[in-house]
Amino acid sequence: GAVVSQHPSRVICKSGTSVKIECRSLDFQATTMFWYRQFPKKSLMLMATSNEGSKATYEQGVEKDKFLINHASLTLSTLTVTSAHPEDSSFYICSAIDGVGTFGSGTRLTVV
Amino acid sequence: DAKTTQPNSMESNEEEPVHLPCNHSTISGTDYIHWYRQLPSQGPEYVIHGLTSNVNNRMASLAIAEDRKSSTLILHRATLRDAAVYYCILRPIHFGNEKLTFGTGTRLTIIP
Repeated sequence: GAVVSQHPSRVICKSGTSVKIECRSLDFQATTMFWYRQFPKKSLMLMATSNEGSKATYEQGVEKDKFLINHASLTLSTLTVTSAHPEDSSFYICSAIDGVGTFGSGTRLTVV
Repeated sequence: DAKTTQPNSMESNEEEPVHLPCNHSTISGTDYIHWYRQLPSQGPEYVIHGLTSNVNNRMASLAIAEDRKSSTLILHRATLRDAAVYYCILRPIHFGNEKLTFGTGTRLTIIP
């Protein structure tokens, strides 16, 4: 079946630095990918919709200048958390649709 | 988006069948019923989906009420690896690249 690969699986960074998370569709093309954030014991919250070759669409309340999304090819979307702070620590998950939703394994971001 | 309602948590004994309910009283005629599950520290994975008829696959069965206002995910013989949060989600029939919106889901605990 369809596979979405997400890297890194875990990252620790210092406050004020930026972190990039990659999401790749391995055996299908994805013109659209989705980025979610999940806090402990909570459900997934959609942050933004990544569109190949155009600007991402952000959900209400998500800072687009803080969470930069680039979708430069049909198989790769990246999420960059800029000037990360401890409150950005969370589990970030990407997804693409290949008939049904296919999700990456998630990235655990810890900002210290 | 049409809303789904699920119990917050359920417990089941290992090797017993599990019935996970989902209410979706505002479902439209063009909404598919999708189920995903999220194992600890992983991204969600697709389980099953259906429109009107009951569906079976290697992971589970989906029983859909005749009026489509509720559905039940059935795990025929629960194992410890089935411990996860299960999400019931409605998606339009012509979903294309439509986002998936997650509710709170049901946290399933399997008792050895």
